[in-house]
Amino acid sequence: AQSVTQPDIHITVSEGASLELRCNYSYGATPYLFWYVQSPGQGLQLLLKYFSGDTLVQGIKGFEAEFKRSQSSFNLRKPSVHWSDAAEYFCAVAPLGKFYFGTGTSLTVIP
Amino acid sequence: GAVVSQHPSWVICKSGTSVKIECRSLDFQATTMFWYRQFPKQSLMLMATSNEGSKATYEQGVEKDKFLINHASLTLSTLTVTSAHPEDSSFYICSASSSGRSGANVLTFGAGSRLTVL
Repeated sequence: AQSVTQPDIHITVSEGASLELRCNYSYGATPYLFWYVQSPGQGLQLLLKYFSGDTLVQGIKGFEAEFKRSQSSFNLRKPSVHWSDAAEYFCAVAPLGKFYFGTGTSLTVIP
Repeated sequence: GAVVSQHPSWVICKSGTSVKIECRSLDFQATTMFWYRQFPKQSLMLMATSNEGSKATYEQGVEKDKFLINHASLTLSTLTVTSAHPEDSSFYICSASSSGRSGANVLTFGAGSRLTVL
């Protein structure tokens, strides 16, 4: 069965510091991979996606993610975090068109 | 880009009544829409897959008689919570599937509907 694991429930970083949010998936083949962000009381916004090709994908708001097949990972990174990045981040996989989400990582940004 | 509109964003109802939530794809046709439920500080739980012109496919453990889904057109899916009870209070989010450049699907989400049952 497919699953998505986000090991970090909550992360706190200082504004301007770098960020990495972890995501591991379990699936027989390489699924389509996504990162979404959710602000409080809001829906989800797509940050970036990986379907195939270059394993380093660029997204909106300065985010990027790297797909590593050997580690079944799709970690999200940002070189310099802004206070407005504080939100909930969800990794998702979509084997066969159905989306499954990880449990999310809550990001707090301190001045 | 693709936009999904969800209405209402907030709804409060009395126990025993029914509530309908609408999900519309504004600038694209969505043959498939998904309904999720999110509890506070938790992930999204897929409730059902809504296919235009056919019956919805419900995930295991989701009561299809309580959560009625209708996908009557390529741009509209509705979720009706029937005989609502306080335990149905939650954040309901819809999403619509559209094809990306690679032909793979991308999910566009509505802003969500917060249901409070008194």
